[in-house]
Amino acid sequence: GNSVTQMEGPVTLSEEAFLTINCTYTATGYPSLFWYVQYPGEGLQLLLKATKADDKGSNKGFEATYRKETTSFHLEKGSVQVSDSAVYFCALSRGNQFYFGTGTSLTVIP
Amino acid sequence: EPEVTQTPSHQVTQMGQEVILRCVPISNHLYFYWYRQILGQKVEFLVSFYNNEISEKSEIFDDQFSVERPDGSNFTLKIRSTKLEDSAMYFCASSPGTSGRPSTDTQYFGPGTRLTVL
Repeated sequence: GNSVTQMEGPVTLSEEAFLTINCTYTATGYPSLFWYVQYPGEGLQLLLKATKADDKGSNKGFEATYRKETTSFHLEKGSVQVSDSAVYFCALSRGNQFYFGTGTSLTVIP
Repeated sequence: EPEVTQTPSHQVTQMGQEVILRCVPISNHLYFYWYRQILGQKVEFLVSFYNNEISEKSEIFDDQFSVERPDGSNFTLKIRSTKLEDSAMYFCASSPGTSGRPSTDTQYFGPGTRLTVL
């Protein structure tokens, strides 16, 4: 079946620290992979995506590379800011259905 | 920037009552979706809707659920007789559907409706 396993949270980092949130997936065929972010009181917003193996998605300093050999799509950012505090969701898309991870809550402290 | 909107933001209902959750997808999008997130659990797919009919649905989407696009703008989710376990955040989403490959399309999500069943 299709599923996403995401690093458990919550994660607390100091400003300017390096961020990694791990995401691995199980899927039939060749899914597209996404990271969504949810700020308090808001809906899920697309952060970045990759639609085929070895693609790198990037946005707002965040990056993730679609690794077929390790079935992973880890989210990274070199220097986090307080404004990055949110819940991050990894997801895969098969057909027109998304499969989400459980979400990882990130808090960045000044 | 266009966005998906949902109303109400919070709905409280008694067990056994019918509820209708409303969504206005992005205007030129062709695919529409409902997801739910029970507190502390994953966001789960319920149903997708294209060309005025359901294109996929999950096991969760049983006979108690129905969806409708009553006019050119609204997309609704109806729960016929609510149960305690229907308490969750319900997210509506839409996607362009113009790539010819729905699996590569970004889905745009609304802010959610929190449903509380007492």
